[in-house]
Amino acid sequence: DTGVSQDPRHKITKRGQNVTFRCDPISEHNRLYWYRQTLGQGPEFLTYFQNEAQLEKSRLLSDRFSAERPKGSFSTLEIQRTEQGDSAMYLCASSLGVVVGEGSGANVLTFGAGSRLTVL
Amino acid sequence: AQTVTQSQPEMSVQEAETVTLSCTYDTSESDYYLFWYKQPPSRQMILVIRQEAYKQQNATENRFSVNFQKAAKSFSLKISDSQLGDAAMYFCVLRRNAGGTSYGKLTFGQGTILTVHP
Repeated sequence: DTGVSQDPRHKITKRGQNVTFRCDPISEHNRLYWYRQTLGQGPEFLTYFQNEAQLEKSRLLSDRFSAERPKGSFSTLEIQRTEQGDSAMYLCASSLGVVVGEGSGANVLTFGAGSRLTVL
Repeated sequence: AQTVTQSQPEMSVQEAETVTLSCTYDTSESDYYLFWYKQPPSRQMILVIRQEAYKQQNATENRFSVNFQKAAKSFSLKISDSQLGDAAMYFCVLRRNAGGTSYGKLTFGQGTILTVHP
């Protein structure tokens, strides 16, 4: 396993177009997260999946954003009708979590290299 | 709401010297984790060190150590014997440990860019 993979690494699009990012987590990780990072800032939480269930969504995730994890493996993040303010790095992370008796190391997030979106 | 503040946008250090990055945070939780993550230019975020809030002993990982002051809500990172490969953006990160769906939701600081001079 080579870690968390994200594709594409860089996407340039025109305002109003739709874009989709894909994340392949570490295979045994059942939790998957999306974060957004704007230039010079720390990442901000967008959404979180446990297996195929989307359990938490940030207010940052407007109606134009949708994330899926159909079979509990890879995930997609789609942005419809892109705006210039959507320009950012979109980070995916995964972790292994257990329901009961979670150990201190079990939920450390492993991040992918990110997908950078530029909206012209 | 949780907040993390890094008041040093940029820091620099000479190779082989020691540098300390500052971080303060605010949370109403009593059980939480604190982390320092490193993000090299154009590369993925890497965990440097973590600290459980219920542990009084400061965490250490080789050349990296923290000074965790729970009452003051302060969590600084000390890098000893700095190396050129330490150059990166460093993020102080807070995660509540209240169970349920919030396990993985991280709150990041603004980051500190560390430059290492040869």
